[in-house]
Amino acid sequence: GENVEQHPSTLSVQEGDSAVIKCTYSDSASNYFPWYKQELGKGPQLIIDIRSNVGEKKDQRIAVTLNKTAKHFSLHITETQPEDSAVYFCAASGGADGLTFGKGTHLIIQP
Amino acid sequence: EPEVTQTPSHQVTQMGQEVILRCVPISNHLYFYWYRQILGQKVEFLVSFYNNEISEKSEIFDDQFSVERPDGSNFTLKIRSTKLEDSAMYFCASTTFRQGRAGNQPQHFGDGTRLSIL
Repeated sequence: GENVEQHPSTLSVQEGDSAVIKCTYSDSASNYFPWYKQELGKGPQLIIDIRSNVGEKKDQRIAVTLNKTAKHFSLHITETQPEDSAVYFCAASGGADGLTFGKGTHLIIQP
Repeated sequence: EPEVTQTPSHQVTQMGQEVILRCVPISNHLYFYWYRQILGQKVEFLVSFYNNEISEKSEIFDDQFSVERPDGSNFTLKIRSTKLEDSAMYFCASTTFRQGRAGNQPQHFGDGTRLSIL
């Protein structure tokens, strides 16, 4: 089955700087890659997703890149703000119903 | 914006007891899912459900688990005889299309039920 690795487990950046979170996946059949933000006491909230027919997608300060050859995808957050502090999960999906999640990255925005 | 709602937010149960976790998916969604997240670990897929039957299930979803859509709005997860290792956050999700089909639509998650087994 699919295996998703996510790095780093914790990322601390100064407010206003950029943050990058990286994930790799193992199943070349995977074709859908969502990113979720989870705040304390809440469920995962979808923030951006990308499908395998595109290499990059951007939504305001958030962007995701996908390299199918290398089987990795990344989340980029620019101009970080205190409210960006949360746990971020990458996930992958191919022919199966369930998403396979990474272990999560605890993003800390330092004022 | 429509939301997936889950009740209760926290459930405490004695080991060996049955527990039912409830979810109200987004109203026009057709596919429903349960995931669990043991403290500090990954979110893990349990089961997907479509057209009143299980579509797929993971190896975690063994005979002690069952799912049901008892009416037009609720989607439930039952654990028949709880064990200590069932303690986790349980998340319900829904989507308009089946994940892995029809272009892979986004799954929308509820805020979860924290299940504590004593």
